[in-house]
Amino acid sequence: GQQVMQIPQYQHVQEGEDFTTYCNSSTTLSNIQWYKQRPGGHPVFLIQLVKSGEVKKQKRLTFQFGEAKKNSSLHITATQTTDVGTYFCAGYFTNAGKSTFGDGTTLTVKP
Amino acid sequence: DAGITQSPRHKVTETGTPVTLRCHQTENHRYMYWYRQDPGHGLRLIHYSYGVKDTDKGEVSDGYSVSRSKTEDFLLTLESATSSQTSVYFCAIRHTGGDGYTFGSGTRLTVV
Repeated sequence: GQQVMQIPQYQHVQEGEDFTTYCNSSTTLSNIQWYKQRPGGHPVFLIQLVKSGEVKKQKRLTFQFGEAKKNSSLHITATQTTDVGTYFCAGYFTNAGKSTFGDGTTLTVKP
Repeated sequence: DAGITQSPRHKVTETGTPVTLRCHQTENHRYMYWYRQDPGHGLRLIHYSYGVKDTDKGEVSDGYSVSRSKTEDFLLTLESATSSQTSVYFCAIRHTGGDGYTFGSGTRLTVV
């Protein structure tokens, strides 16, 4: 089946350090979405990328979609304790008609 | 969020008993989804619906059935619960226009 691989599974950083999580697909995606789930909470939609090479920013968060539309990344600059949680990507495959979630990257931030 | 409520929020049930989880939305969204979330497995799609009485299987549908008799309600049934179905279950709706999915608050199910 169509899979979206996400790495790393866990990332521990000191507050103020940067953080990046990556998603990769073996087949071309129609779009990719990113979600954040706080501990004990539910996933919350952050952003959707559609175009090849697209870059979007939300304050300290930068989202990129690869030129081939097979990979994506989320980068957080100068992490804060409020960034703690699990970040998921979800790739939409046109021929499947639905999205597939990556397994997530869990971020912990030491103050 | 988007008027999605899941019930119950927590449930403990015995192996072999039937269990039904409910997802209710108030904004007339066409697409509704049931996911389960387990440590190390992310979110896995169980079943989804693209309209009243229109449903399809996801990647982990064995042991589960769904029904959607009204736009606002999407029910997930475990016909005979097993310990492997202990999990957190999330319902979601899909927005059109690039706003992704909105998830309910989840149901934590424990099968003993």
